Amino acid sequence: GAGVSQSPSNKVTEKGKDVELRCDPISGHTALYWYRQRLGQGLEFLIYFQGNSAPDKSGLPSDRFSAERTGESVSTLTIQRTQQEDSAVYLCASSLVGDEQFFGPGTRLTVL
Amino acid sequence: AQSVTQLDSQVPVFEEAPVELRCNYSSSVSVYLFWYVQYPNQGLQLLLKYLSGSTLVKGINGFEAEFNKSQTSFHLRKPSVHISDTAEYFCAVSAFRGSTLGRLYFGRGTQLTVWP
Repeated sequence: GAGVSQSPSNKVTEKGKDVELRCDPISGHTALYWYRQRLGQGLEFLIYFQGNSAPDKSGLPSDRFSAERTGESVSTLTIQRTQQEDSAVYLCASSLVGDEQFFGPGTRLTVL
Repeated sequence: AQSVTQLDSQVPVFEEAPVELRCNYSSSVSVYLFWYVQYPNQGLQLLLKYLSGSTLVKGINGFEAEFNKSQTSFHLRKPSVHISDTAEYFCAVSAFRGSTLGRLYFGRGTQLTVWP
């Protein structure tokens, strides 16, 4: 596709449920990033995938958060046992190594 | 590690007035600098970036920014704003070496509102 796509665009869930967020990067982009944007705050780095290297998970806020990436394609971010403080917009970006990051439109997660 | 401070959370201006959105950063290593814009209900779009060379960088939609290494600043300017410039603007930095290579560190954003 022409850009980074994310699904779903909106997700409302109940506290304690698990959620899966999906990111389709730009074809050929070896680097993929997940960020979180909480209301009134800047973007917060979560995790970074680069090719077949071990991902940089240093930004994940707790062990309830995990992410996977299949090769250089789709990535899923999973949040287990969601809490209200997980409510945020989750943004995915992709890039060539060391180049400009292109962002998707985000998934707005609301935990009731 | 790197950090970014955007000094104004909200900037209201009238149409055709000049605007400056301020950004200061902190880093122990050399960095690349970026400004992103986020229109309502849309993803982030790159406005401009400083990698090296001339400290005055021109971007899309008539915006420009100046890198000042001594003041660790990267302020965004536009000489005459339009209503369509109403959006959230984010300053970001990225180290170009080291363990955080590629990761963007963002400021909290500045909401620019242009009034007619």
